[in-house]
Amino acid sequence: DADVTQTPRNRITKTGKRIMLECSQTKGHDRMYWYRQDPGLGLRLIYYSFDVKDINKGEISDGYSVSRQAQAKFSLSLESAIPNQTALYFCATSGPGTSGSYEQYFGPGTRLTVT
Amino acid sequence: AQSVTQLDSHVSVSEGTPVLLRCNYSSSYSPSLFWYVQHPNKGLQLLLKYTSAATLVKGINGFEAEFKKSETSFHLTKPSAHMSDAAEYFCVVSYDYKLSFGAGTTVTVRA
Repeated sequence: DADVTQTPRNRITKTGKRIMLECSQTKGHDRMYWYRQDPGLGLRLIYYSFDVKDINKGEISDGYSVSRQAQAKFSLSLESAIPNQTALYFCATSGPGTSGSYEQYFGPGTRLTVT
Repeated sequence: AQSVTQLDSHVSVSEGTPVLLRCNYSSSYSPSLFWYVQHPNKGLQLLLKYTSAATLVKGINGFEAEFKKSETSFHLTKPSAHMSDAAEYFCVVSYDYKLSFGAGTTVTVRA
C-alpha cells in the first residue's frame, strides 16, 4: 500500500463550489504539506503543518484553507473554487531522514479542474 | 531566501548517450539539495539528496549529482540514458524544512 494517499485522484467542479481534497499517510511523520503544480512553475507551497496544532501559510495560500484532523490526515479546501485553481495538487509528508535532511514523500496527486 | 534555477526547460537525448540536467541554487547558508523525478501521470520520486556529507551524490537508477559550492551548482548526470528516463526532473532546495522547487526540466529520450 502507498505511504501517502490522496482522494479523489481526479475531480471536475464548477466555479463557486466548495471542494475538499484529502490526504492520509502511514509513514508516521509529523510534517505534512500541500502543493500545487502548474506547467512551467514547478511546485508551489500552499500550506504546511509541523504537527496537529501547527498550521502555516505557504507561498500561495489565498483561496485555500486546511485542516489537520490527526497526525496522519491533512485536508485542503477550496471554499469557492475558481478556474485559475485548476491544477495538479500534491500532498507530501516529511520526517527526519538518516542525515536529518527531512526529505519529503509525495502522494500521487489530485488533478482538479474548475469549469 | 532560497531558490533554484534549472537552466534548461527541455533536454532531448538519444538512448545510450549521457544526460546532463543543470541546476543553480541560491542559499544564504549551507543548503540541503534534492533531485526529484516525475514520470507522466505519476507523483514525485526522490532521486538523490545532498546534505553536506559528500559532494558527489549517487542516486537511484544510475543518476548522480555533484555539489559545487564555488559555482552554486548541483547538476544531475547519468552516463547512459534509457527510454524509461523520459520524465520531468525537479531540482529542489530545502530551507526551514520547506522545499523550494525549480521550474522543472523535461527529458525526452530518442530511440
